[in-house]
Amino acid sequence: DVKVTQSSRYLVKRTGEKVFLECVQDMDHENMFWYRQDPGLGLRLIYFSYDVKMKEKGDIPEGYSVSREKKERFSLILESASTNQTSMYLCASSSPQQGVGFGPGTRLTVT
Amino acid sequence: QQQVKQSPQSLIVQKGGISIINCAYENTAFDYFPWYQQFPGKGPALLIAIRPDVSEKKEGRFTISFNKSAKQFSLHIMDSQPGDSATYFCAASIGSARQLTFGSGTQLTVLP
Repeated sequence: DVKVTQSSRYLVKRTGEKVFLECVQDMDHENMFWYRQDPGLGLRLIYFSYDVKMKEKGDIPEGYSVSREKKERFSLILESASTNQTSMYLCASSSPQQGVGFGPGTRLTVT
Repeated sequence: QQQVKQSPQSLIVQKGGISIINCAYENTAFDYFPWYQQFPGKGPALLIAIRPDVSEKKEGRFTISFNKSAKQFSLHIMDSQPGDSATYFCAASIGSARQLTFGSGTQLTVLP
């Protein structure tokens, strides 16, 4: 099974704060993803990475950035958190053999 | 642009009944169609997946039916159980390891 861990299950931040969401996978996967989940909208892709130091924008990258300095770690950064970024954030990694596996998610509340 | 449309939004089924969730896609380049199951407080878990070279795939009580010409695929849960109560997402991608495009989800409730 794909094992993806996320640094926090719940996070409460204030508007304007810089927020770091950390994700680690132990499967030596090259591909990693950040999704955002909102009721009625499903999961929407924020950013993804197919290699160390590589990143590509997904469908909703505005207000977010990412960092991938090591193969196993993929960080999502909210430069200046806003209330409309209150959401569930899901990290995932993948391989052709195992498909895409998700972490448990971080529920972020921005007040 | 919603590339994967999922219905219904919610579904209530009696124990032992058949649950059916439908999805339609637009991008004909998609060649991998997984279904994910998500319980409250958990991340989505891969349930079953199909490629367009087959019309049906069955794993236990879960079956995917695929209609390439109609660009539709569906999940059938046979003998539905209360433990199947969860949110189900269909998805599509180009290749099994690439970024997934998700449907909006179906909240399934199986009554005891």
